[in-house]
Amino acid sequence: LVLTQSPVTLSLSPGERATLSCRASQSVSSNYLAWYQQKPGQAPRLVISAVSTRATGIPDRFSGSGSGTDFTLTISRLEPEDFAVYYCQQYGHSPLFGGGTKVEIK
Amino acid sequence: QVPVVQSGGEVKKPGSSVKVSCKASGATFKRYSFNWVRQAPGQGLEWMGGVIPVFGTSNIAQKFQDRLTIIADISTATVYMELSGLRSEDTAVYYCARGQDPATQDYYYAMDVWGRGTTVIVS
Repeated sequence: LVLTQSPVTLSLSPGERATLSCRASQSVSSNYLAWYQQKPGQAPRLVISAVSTRATGIPDRFSGSGSGTDFTLTISRLEPEDFAVYYCQQYGHSPLFGGGTKVEIK
Repeated sequence: QVPVVQSGGEVKKPGSSVKVSCKASGATFKRYSFNWVRQAPGQGLEWMGGVIPVFGTSNIAQKFQDRLTIIADISTATVYMELSGLRSEDTAVYYCARGQDPATQDYYYAMDVWGRGTTVIVS
């Protein structure tokens, strides 16, 4: 299984909508797909699990969708604190991370 | 109380081994899965393996199967990761991360509690 994230870098302005893609080389079982946010010098933070369930404390501007092999993380209106690197992850018996998408300020 | 506390940074010689610990808080330690994830400088996240204490099982990513050991000590609520045959490419920050939900099967859940990371330098 390989997880491919696109784009590698997303340059947007605060207030804009961010759409991040994660494509799996084979179907992700049981919807075991998560998204993490990582800021420089910090540990990753769980944003979404089970494709679309927001983690504790994650604002509702974050949403996840998809099924099978294609998944999307959407940030409806970017806030300054949302600029970071986002990783998708398939979990289950043998977890695997995608390569990441950097959301940077335009 | 910090949910997971990792041991301090290490500097190791090529060919040697490193052992990193991750002490968890809470009486329900053994019910959760614990993962080791590393991040080389400027690179992405890489899942190395994990352990589920309640089942007494561990799973090691194929890439590391010949040199990585992960164990859990239930008596001290501590998980250990030992990587042998170190090379310069193993220089990274090593994270311990706990699964989000109590394990009901031999599966690793999304990780909602992360340690601060342990820097291992191989030089």
